[in-house]
Amino acid sequence: DTGVSQDPRHKITKRGQNVTFRCDPISEHNRLYWYRQTLGQGPEFLTYFQNEAQLEKSRLLSDRFSAERPKGSFSTLEIQRTEQGDSAMYLCASRGGTGYATEAFFGQGTRLTVV
Amino acid sequence: TQLLEQSPQFLSIQEGENLTVYCNSSSVFSSLQWYRQEPGEGPVLLVTVVTGGEVKKLKRLTFQFGDARKDSSLHITAAQPGDTGLYLCAGANSGNTPLVFGKGTRLSVIA
Repeated sequence: DTGVSQDPRHKITKRGQNVTFRCDPISEHNRLYWYRQTLGQGPEFLTYFQNEAQLEKSRLLSDRFSAERPKGSFSTLEIQRTEQGDSAMYLCASRGGTGYATEAFFGQGTRLTVV
Repeated sequence: TQLLEQSPQFLSIQEGENLTVYCNSSSVFSSLQWYRQEPGEGPVLLVTVVTGGEVKKLKRLTFQFGDARKDSSLHITAAQPGDTGLYLCAGANSGNTPLVFGKGTRLSVIA
């Protein structure tokens, strides 16, 4: 399978714990995005990498959130001191090239539940 | 901030009916993508439109990009239960800006 892969698919954690999610993009794609989606809403942008550089972060990304893409390949999203409001589907997408018309492909997401 | 408004928010129809969902913005987008998402899964890309007035067909689905590149529509002919899902539109401008999503249209096709 050469699509976008996310791990884990599901995560249940207690409030206050730290969690880390992983995204493996399509191998030749240099652009990687993280989105968050809550029930009944469309995906909301969190952050964007081009290769290893984090080019943009949403104001939704509080200081408890951090993302990395150390070698321009896989990426991790860490949430520290989780809160119940962090419960959501976390989606990763990748795009190749640099143009606006290139297509973005999504992984299956990580469903986070904070109890 | 660029916003995409999708309508209707919910749509429930009988198998065999036709339907149209809309994606509107006050901003111009260089390209627009349509996705379909099933519960618990990530969005799956259906089509990308880039030229004002462009029409693309994917079997029973017809996508149109508005002449001014501010709006788009998705028309489904003879809907089937397998078409059930959340339909999302997403707009992009430069290659260095992220996709902006609408809230989606949740379609339910009843057999």
